[in-house]
Amino acid sequence: EADIYQTPRYLVIGTGKKITLECSQTMGHDKMYWYQQDPGMELHLIHYSYGVNSTEKGDLSSESTVSRIRTEHFPLTLESARPSHTSQYLCASSEYGGVRSGVRLNEQFFGPGTRLTVL
Amino acid sequence: GENVEQHPSTLSVQEGDSAVIKCTYSDSASNYFPWYKQELGKRPQLIIDIRSNVGEKKDQRIAVTLNKTAKHFSLHITETQPEDSAVYFCAASYSGGGADGLTFGKGTHLIIQP
Repeated sequence: EADIYQTPRYLVIGTGKKITLECSQTMGHDKMYWYQQDPGMELHLIHYSYGVNSTEKGDLSSESTVSRIRTEHFPLTLESARPSHTSQYLCASSEYGGVRSGVRLNEQFFGPGTRLTVL
Repeated sequence: GENVEQHPSTLSVQEGDSAVIKCTYSDSASNYFPWYKQELGKRPQLIIDIRSNVGEKKDQRIAVTLNKTAKHFSLHITETQPEDSAVYFCAASYSGGGADGLTFGKGTHLIIQP
């Protein structure tokens, strides 16, 4: 079944560690996004990508970086985690240009999220 | 860039009553307005959306209205049920190609009282 997958779902790590949050989608979508969300609070866009080799910064400044080497994969990396990075990170994807198989343009599908705690 | 304001931040209604959540946006070029529902511990899921060429859209107990002139749109839930309890997010974007991510409102905690 087409879906968006995120690993790990939960991560507790010490300050200064390098971490990579994985996101993969089997939706066949071109665009992918990373949002940061504290539980029950607003969603902040931190990165997005139009397709392979495309990465853009979002509205919220973030010390994380992303890469898009494969269409289905959009990992997020923190070189040196800090307690201020503690949050939930949600990956999403959407079509880019046109409608395929009845999917509406711009509808974003979210992954289950990674809850990150930095001690 | 786009700015989306959402009100109220918390809404408590009796089961069976209606609930209305309102959002305003700042960028007149925005033409796509989705609403997402996020249950506790789960991912946001699209429940309804509207484009700027339409003034109202309905799907069973859920409806969305859009006033382009005033730059505001609203979510209406009728005959509320306990399973409607969740955080609801409105969002706005421009879908003319080259668009970046959705700009979300801050969310409304909807509580359905039995």
